[in-house]
Amino acid sequence: GAGVSQTPSNKVTEKGKYVELRCDPISGHTALYWYRQSLGQGPEFLIYFQGTGAADDSGLPNDRFFAVRPEGSVSTLKIQRTERGDSAVYLCASSPRPDNTDTQYFGPGTRLTVL
Amino acid sequence: AQKVTQAQTEISVVEKEDVTLDCVYETRDTTYYLFWYKQPPSGELVFLIRRNSFDEQNEISGRYSWNFQKSTSSFNFTITASQVVDSAVYFCALRTEETSGSRLTFGEGTQLTVNP
Repeated sequence: GAGVSQTPSNKVTEKGKYVELRCDPISGHTALYWYRQSLGQGPEFLIYFQGTGAADDSGLPNDRFFAVRPEGSVSTLKIQRTERGDSAVYLCASSPRPDNTDTQYFGPGTRLTVL
Repeated sequence: AQKVTQAQTEISVVEKEDVTLDCVYETRDTTYYLFWYKQPPSGELVFLIRRNSFDEQNEISGRYSWNFQKSTSSFNFTITASQVVDSAVYFCALRTEETSGSRLTFGEGTQLTVNP
């Protein structure tokens, strides 16, 4: 079946603008995760959804970052007043169940560049 | 707190050589899960293996093998007879019972280049 998909694949924006990044998880997966990967680094956790609710948003760097998953499937990561330091690859992952025995399957990522 | 260390930033080998990627983890939890992911130039993280803390059996899958040693907190990954297609960044990751939300803690990654 189809894997995790993310759109757009690339996003270039200017400092101060608002951006939305979309994630379509694998069908039937209840858990959804967002990570951020800076150049030369490993992915860092941002937020995790179990169904429609954010079960853990402790990785969000500040209140400019927000994510939603209104119907328990597609999720949108929203970044307000973008800064150059927000430039990174934003990765989405999903898993069948939100427990520790599950494997997270990743999408191809959205490369965000803030000029 | 959890931490994963991949001390090898870059490794370069010639095709058909064996290569081992090191991973050392830190956790106070007694139940945890270790993962390896491959990130080819296309950027997508590809799942390779998951290992539970209570199962120390080593695993072999084709040219890949994993050596899990709780005594040294290591979960090393060996590629036998490497091929050019193995060139990628490899990440080791940790997930623990105590960590809320089932987040993965990743190492910094090891860039493997296999030359023909």
